[in-house]
Amino acid sequence: DIQMTQSPSSLSASVGDRVTITCRASQGISNYLAWYQQKPGKVPKLLIYGASTLQSGVPSRFSGSGSGTDFTLTISSLQPEDVATYYCQKYNNAFWTFGQGTKVEIK
Amino acid sequence: EVQLVESGGDLVQPGGSLRLSCAASGFTFSNYAMNWVRQAPGKGLEWVSTISGSGYTTYYADSVKGRFTISRDNSESTLYLQISSLRAEDTAVYYCAKTSPLGSCSGGACYTAPIDYWGQGILITVSS
Repeated sequence: DIQMTQSPSSLSASVGDRVTITCRASQGISNYLAWYQQKPGKVPKLLIYGASTLQSGVPSRFSGSGSGTDFTLTISSLQPEDVATYYCQKYNNAFWTFGQGTKVEIK
Repeated sequence: EVQLVESGGDLVQPGGSLRLSCAASGFTFSNYAMNWVRQAPGKGLEWVSTISGSGYTTYYADSVKGRFTISRDNSESTLYLQISSLRAEDTAVYYCAKTSPLGSCSGGACYTAPIDYWGQGILITVSS
């Protein structure tokens, strides 16, 4: 089974900071990688798919990159409404796996 | 507007059984693979099961294989999850989730695509 490992597990940053979250797959998954945002008490929301394609309606301060085994989610300028837990997900086949999540807080 | 509405959650004793339902609307149900994803209290997301649009092909996480059965009724646009031999570690919010058309394939047998819609979630608590 392919494991997805996110880092860090949590971070605290100031408004306006650039934030980067990493997701590593234990085997290559090409670009079959999505990022979701889950705000407290809410359902997850798709941010990025295909490793780097921004889902419609998602602010442009969010971006994704990577291919193969190493992926990143970047928030170019952290906003208060970005407080959430972020999950990566691999979907290169029918057996999906999520990363363990990265909790983002405002300092 | 796409809507996914789960029902059937409850407090169940260990070893018990339950059936979750997810009523879908706002899209052509049979054209998409459907999924169940769960989230234990305070924990991360865990994929549970996927079923093809036709209902003929199913997939399960190792943690639930042999105990959970996913099915669908395309005439009623409803997804099901039959859960048996419940364990304390099955306690979680269970989400019904629609596979998106954003992958490299299309149709009801397309699994290589992310989730675009989630239900509100339904809580199963396994406790004596």
